[in-house]
Amino acid sequence: QVQLVQSGAAVKNPWSSVMVSCKASGGTFSNYALSWVRQAPGQGLEWMGGIIPMFGAVNYAQRFQGRVTITADESTSTAYMELNNLRIEDTAVYYCARADYYPYSSTFSAFDIWGQGTVVTVSS
Amino acid sequence: EIVMTQSPAILSVSPGERATLSCRASQSVSNNLAWYQQRPGQAPRLLIYGASTRATGIPTRFSGSGSGTEFTLTISSLQSEDFAVYYCQQYNFWPPLTFGGGTKVEIK
Repeated sequence: QVQLVQSGAAVKNPWSSVMVSCKASGGTFSNYALSWVRQAPGQGLEWMGGIIPMFGAVNYAQRFQGRVTITADESTSTAYMELNNLRIEDTAVYYCARADYYPYSSTFSAFDIWGQGTVVTVSS
Repeated sequence: EIVMTQSPAILSVSPGERATLSCRASQSVSNNLAWYQQRPGQAPRLLIYGASTRATGIPTRFSGSGSGTEFTLTISSLQSEDFAVYYCQQYNFWPPLTFGGGTKVEIK
């Protein structure tokens, strides 16, 4: 059974950057899409962007465009999310989540596997 | 962007009673709709996909229905472990993939 194992908590200063990793343990990224979803304290779930490693395709939510970069290393089955120019309001739990991708129809499944979450605190 | 609206925001239910949660999409998402459960301090867990198919290991008291723009999650007889926050999510269009704001099911 594939598990997504994320890197540990981070405390960052405003205007700095953070990189969170997500490693597929017990499996690979083949035929999957990896998304990053964040949750601010007491708030709901927010999709930030996703990558389809097999095709190298990446898409971002508009509000994060220009500040977030999502990459994947298929050789190590690890995805990365880097968020730049951090603000206090970026304090949140960041999750990676896996979905099936169907290339013939360019469609996805639901997120069936989630990482454990990474707490990122932005504070001066 | 597809906007997902959940109602009510908070649902107070007694153990053993039925809970009905609603989710509305701003335009048709076909049946590409999922429901997730999130307990405090935990990652979300997939309950329902394809609007009505239970994920592996999900008890039969959870059921989903609907298509197009109107969806419902029903918990037939609430157990103590079911008190949590529930989110719907559409995966018909990207980017972006979008979630509803959540419904908190609390003990009455």
